Amino acid sequence: EAGVAQSPRYKIIEKRQSVAFWCNPISGHATLYWYQQILGQGPKLLIQFQNNGVVDDSQLPKDRFSAERLKGVDSTLKIQPAKLEDSAVYLCASSLGGPLETQYFGPGTRLLVL
Amino acid sequence: AQTVTQSQPEMSVQEAETVTLSCTYDTSENNYYLFWYKQPPSRQMILVIRQEAYKQQNATENRFSVNFQKAAKSFSLKISDSQLGDTAMYFCAFMKQGTPLVFGKGTRLSVIA
Repeated sequence: EAGVAQSPRYKIIEKRQSVAFWCNPISGHATLYWYQQILGQGPKLLIQFQNNGVVDDSQLPKDRFSAERLKGVDSTLKIQPAKLEDSAVYLCASSLGGPLETQYFGPGTRLLVL
Repeated sequence: AQTVTQSQPEMSVQEAETVTLSCTYDTSENNYYLFWYKQPPSRQMILVIRQEAYKQQNATENRFSVNFQKAAKSFSLKISDSQLGDTAMYFCAFMKQGTPLVFGKGTRLSVIA
């Protein structure tokens, strides 16, 4: 069974530029999560999708971050414009059903904003 | 809001020895779930073990076991017969129904040959 795929693995941009990350969850997984993991900290949920609907985006900085999951499969997370403090690893995870199901994580995208 | 505290930023253990990682949490809930995740260097985060708060028996997965003390709000992870492949960041996490996973800051474990 293929795992959660993410691309790119690494990205370096300058502040005020925009960037997009892509995630393909495990086939059949209804729930998809985007986390931000700042160096030295645990992951923090940005947004949770159930199929193509948003379940929780309370911690998503909506003035600069956006995410979509069209067709309820893969998802993109965008930052526009990026700030220095957005430097982090962005993790995508998926689970078969709701949040009490085991979450499977992708390898992450490491973003550096200069 | 729930908080998760891992008081040991770094730990090391000799191969084949036993190590215990600490985790405490703060909640007023009675029903919740606790997890330990492992994040090896440059690799995916994976679930090690989970515990439902309503279960009194401590969860066990092969060499990994937990000591769940509900009254003390403590959830430690014991790794027996440590192996070099156990070298990783370990995150303790808390979740209650309807809310997202809350992670601690992690403990970096090094297994020394």
